[in-house]
Amino acid sequence: DSGVTQTPKHLITATGQRVTLRCSPRSGDLSVYWYQQSLDQGLQFLIQYYNGEERAKGNILERFSAQQFPDLHSELNLSSLELGDSALYFCASSALQGNEQYFGPGTRLTVT
Amino acid sequence: AQKVTQAQTEISVVEKEDVTLDCVYETRDTTYYLFWYKQPPSGELVFLIRRNSFDEQNEISGRYSWNFQKSTSSFNFTITASQVVDSAVYFCALIWTSGTYKYIFGTGTRLKVLA
Repeated sequence: DSGVTQTPKHLITATGQRVTLRCSPRSGDLSVYWYQQSLDQGLQFLIQYYNGEERAKGNILERFSAQQFPDLHSELNLSSLELGDSALYFCASSALQGNEQYFGPGTRLTVT
Repeated sequence: AQKVTQAQTEISVVEKEDVTLDCVYETRDTTYYLFWYKQPPSGELVFLIRRNSFDEQNEISGRYSWNFQKSTSSFNFTITASQVVDSAVYFCALIWTSGTYKYIFGTGTRLKVLA
């Protein structure tokens, strides 16, 4: 158990809908990262927050957004969902940028 | 551009064999970090090792060892006396800084250890 929690574990929704994925980092970790893992594109870094502020941005679509709250939990919002957004979404946390990241169990999103 | 290449898509070995997973990276930054992660069939990614660009010492942890060579831009991972529980997908990752931190993962190597 990495100490990182993610909810929900599974999510099935229709195209055009909006969903919110939630992540709680390990106790004491200030950095939260979001990744998307799909069969055709591998593990892609989406975005990182550090103590509430956005610190790094990867291949995140404009339809996607995230935030980190004062209690350090983070939410990833995915809107106008398309079939291609079906993937496993991981959250990870670390104490500092550049440190090892501890991953949550992931949320499997299926868009039908 | 920064890149991480794991050329071995899938490797199959018989239990107790040694196996090396290759990772070749590209970066022009002098400060960077390299990682290996394991993703077992359960799906959760597990941190294995972190190396910064200034530390070329090899590392051994039980049956696992890592060989970091800046001259060849490689950070290879060897499992000695492999076991069935080592079956997983292994990812090599690069973090570098150029103003902001950037993160990139290799495509992974699927290791199958057969009993």
